[in-house]
Amino acid sequence: GAVVSQHPSRVICKSGTSVKIECRSLDFQATTMFWYRQFPKQSLMLMATSNEGSKATYEQGVEKDKFLINHASLTLSTLTVTSAHPEDSSFYICSARDLPTMGYGYTFGSGTRLTVV
Amino acid sequence: LAKTTQPISMDSYEGQEVNITCSHNNIATNDYITWYQQFPSQGPRFIIQGYKTKVTNEVASLFIPADRKSSTLSLPRVSLSDTAVYYCLVANQAGTALIFGKGTTLSVSS
Repeated sequence: GAVVSQHPSRVICKSGTSVKIECRSLDFQATTMFWYRQFPKQSLMLMATSNEGSKATYEQGVEKDKFLINHASLTLSTLTVTSAHPEDSSFYICSARDLPTMGYGYTFGSGTRLTVV
Repeated sequence: LAKTTQPISMDSYEGQEVNITCSHNNIATNDYITWYQQFPSQGPRFIIQGYKTKVTNEVASLFIPADRKSSTLSLPRVSLSDTAVYYCLVANQAGTALIFGKGTTLSVSS
């Protein structure tokens, strides 16, 4: 139980375009989801907390106008990287927790490798 | 959430038991300790969670002393496929975001 599906797994886009990444909780409802970014050989860095039906909470230094987060339903959160540039190339990962099935353990998506050319 | 500290790297050989220790001095009363495994280009995978004493599942054991200021993940008889980064993280009841440290890179050789 508590599966999080993330799509796409890999995307290449041109500089200046926008890319949308989807994160779905398949067998539970997630009122809160989390978005992370991971650069090569580094740890995961929290970008934002996505809340169903309300605005996301962004971590310091993360541009909310560049990384648009929408959490319109209890099973779907999306991250849109707007006007992407090569420095936005990274591995993006979403996460959620289902207390009834996993207790305090969090479930992570498989990640999205974004390459901006 | 309490900050965690782990060794940056560890080396082992196939068939050995590996113990990775994590310190979390400022853990709160209702917090749990959780451990994750991450392979390159994949999201972290939940391994085990615990509050105190010892927890065991089909993959690993987790030892937590009475003061809960540290914990040890024990991987029995590791194989090459256990080569990965292991993260120790403190989770609270409210379900706020996990804050990752550097993790421990475990390298298993034949």
